[in-house]
Amino acid sequence: SSELTQDPAVSVALGQTVSITCQGDGLRSYYASWYQQKPGQAPVLVIYYKNNRPSGIPDRFSGSSSGNTASLTITGAQAEDEADYYCYSRDRSGKNFLFGGGTKLTVL
Amino acid sequence: QLQLQESGPGLVKSSETLSLTCIVSGGSISSSGSYWGWIRQPPGRGLEWIGSIYYSGSTYYTPSLDSRVTISVDTSKNQVSLMLTSVTAADTAVYYCARALGSSSYYYFDYWGQGTLVTVSS
Repeated sequence: SSELTQDPAVSVALGQTVSITCQGDGLRSYYASWYQQKPGQAPVLVIYYKNNRPSGIPDRFSGSSSGNTASLTITGAQAEDEADYYCYSRDRSGKNFLFGGGTKLTVL
Repeated sequence: QLQLQESGPGLVKSSETLSLTCIVSGGSISSSGSYWGWIRQPPGRGLEWIGSIYYSGSTYYTPSLDSRVTISVDTSKNQVSLMLTSVTAADTAVYYCARALGSSSYYYFDYWGQGTLVTVSS
């Protein structure tokens, strides 16, 4: 498959833990990066490589990978984490890059 | 602090060519290991990778746009350009430029421009 599949929507209670997943054959060989996008704003990198956070990203954001699935976990979700989240990686051939379809996270 | 700024016409007529420029400031476009990418987002929809270029000129395009897209760099002006030919309404989107870093097993976009909306009119 040349796709990266994400659940369209996920919700989490304030202060609880939530995982957003990204599935694709390419993830068996390539790491995903994760982006947070709030309405009207450009995406922001939150996780890259194995589990690296850029400067300024809270440590409640973490990443992991197993088999064909990459996961972004938010431990103790905050109201400001409500946003769309996208994964980005390569397809199985390694020749093409692509984004997942995105997951809309609602913090209740 | 690296900054990227997209510019270009906000309105393009159907069947014509979309041309955008991304000016990079606060760093050199020729920095070793840096790739420069274009990403777009149709209104209300998700992100789509268009393509990327290394400062040396090596390019990588998404298959669905490969026949219509050209990405180039001008190191003297520290800018990256995007051209998309034969546009249709489906090309209406916010277009972002971004810097990519990485290695063989991972890539990521760490700096993004603010994006520019391009509308294709009939």
